[in-house]
Amino acid sequence: QQQVKQSPQSLIVQKGGIPIINCAYENTAFDYFPWYQQFPGKGPALLIAIRPDVSEKKEGRFTISFNKSAKQFSLHIMDSQPGDSATYFCAALKGAGSYQLTFGKGTKLSVIP
Amino acid sequence: EADIYQTPRYLVIGTGKKITLECSQTMGHDKMYWYQQDPGMELHLIHYSYGVNSTEKGDLSSESTVSRIRTEHFPLTLESARPSHTSQYLCASSERREAWGANEKLFFGSGTQLSVL
Repeated sequence: QQQVKQSPQSLIVQKGGIPIINCAYENTAFDYFPWYQQFPGKGPALLIAIRPDVSEKKEGRFTISFNKSAKQFSLHIMDSQPGDSATYFCAALKGAGSYQLTFGKGTKLSVIP
Repeated sequence: EADIYQTPRYLVIGTGKKITLECSQTMGHDKMYWYQQDPGMELHLIHYSYGVNSTEKGDLSSESTVSRIRTEHFPLTLESARPSHTSQYLCASSERREAWGANEKLFFGSGTQLSVL
């Protein structure tokens, strides 16, 4: 059973566009929601993360929107650049004491010039 | 930049061979993890460790084994490799998450792409 559902599987946008990647979860025990960015041939790297007590978090061109009642969260990339082309994974972590991140299946983003 | 290293980067071996994938981190992190990643699929946790002499199995059943004799080292071993073990294996580490306000940040290595013929 997939606990974190991510969509779309792939996404192509033009430079300057605003790609949006969506994730949904079932387990209300999750209390930490990070996004990881993975370039080809590299391991994932933490991009941005949010807790359920806030509805939005922004770091540079990356914004997470969080809807606790709908159990959904999304990543927006403002003014996307070809260098943003990568695979993005959302994830979720249960409360204190748990050390296991549950990942979505990933979204392959291509930003074309 | 993350100081976590995996070797080898690529490995092609025949069925039945014993292999060990190496993972080392120089950040002094207590927690270490092994994830398995297939193309277009999510990362699946196969092993994790809270510290020295602590190892646990993750969500995805795996025939591999791990050991944690030193804080910085977390090798993964397959006693008899099979084609079904072909995958990318990612090692990660993180600091201990002590309180609700603390963040859980995983540092990943670049992975080992294993192909079993």
